[in-house]
Amino acid sequence: QVQLVQSGAEVKKPGVSVKVSCKISGYIFINYEIHWVRRAAGQGLEWMGGMNPARGNTVATQKFQDRVTLTQDTSMSTAYMELSSLTSEDTAVYYCARKGGTLFDFWGQGSLVMVSS
Amino acid sequence: YVLTQPPSVSVAPGETAKITCGANNIGTKGVHWYQHKPGQAPVVVIFYISDRPSGIPERFSGSNSGNTATLTISSVEAGDEADYFCQVWDRSADNPWVFGGGTKLTVL
Repeated sequence: QVQLVQSGAEVKKPGVSVKVSCKISGYIFINYEIHWVRRAAGQGLEWMGGMNPARGNTVATQKFQDRVTLTQDTSMSTAYMELSSLTSEDTAVYYCARKGGTLFDFWGQGSLVMVSS
Repeated sequence: YVLTQPPSVSVAPGETAKITCGANNIGTKGVHWYQHKPGQAPVVVIFYISDRPSGIPERFSGSNSGNTATLTISSVEAGDEADYFCQVWDRSADNPWVFGGGTKLTVL
């Protein structure tokens, strides 16, 4: 069955970066894009960006374009999302999700990133 | 492209809950609905307006016309309490993956 397993919770200080991983199984990694969505406490779902694993190209919303880096290791069937220059407003649960058509059909369990001095 | 949902909907067990998602001409788009419970991953409950993934009860249904898409949950159960988000893909937007603000469904 399709599974997306993410890395664990992180506590970071303002100004540094965080890197979250998303290891997939149950399908061929390069056949589906992996996207990243976050949800802060009391807020809604917010799309950040995504990567086409076959072509290696990425897309990101303007809000995060300068701070988010999406990478992958196809040999490990793993996608990565790195967010730099963290502030307290980046405290959220970060999800990876598989793009199936125009929706996200399978999601990781989420990775809590807490930014605190 | 902005999707507008009511912040909250409350219903008693066994009643029908309707959660709306409003936007200009949303009736022309494929709308998807996610259920999100605390501490869990979001789950697709309706995709492409009215299709249900395997494992989602028939109590969940969707419709879309004009400027409003609707998620209907009939015979609501306590386990349906969650946040629900609508989502569309808008190819013309800078941010093509658009979520509604979310609706908290409370089962009284």
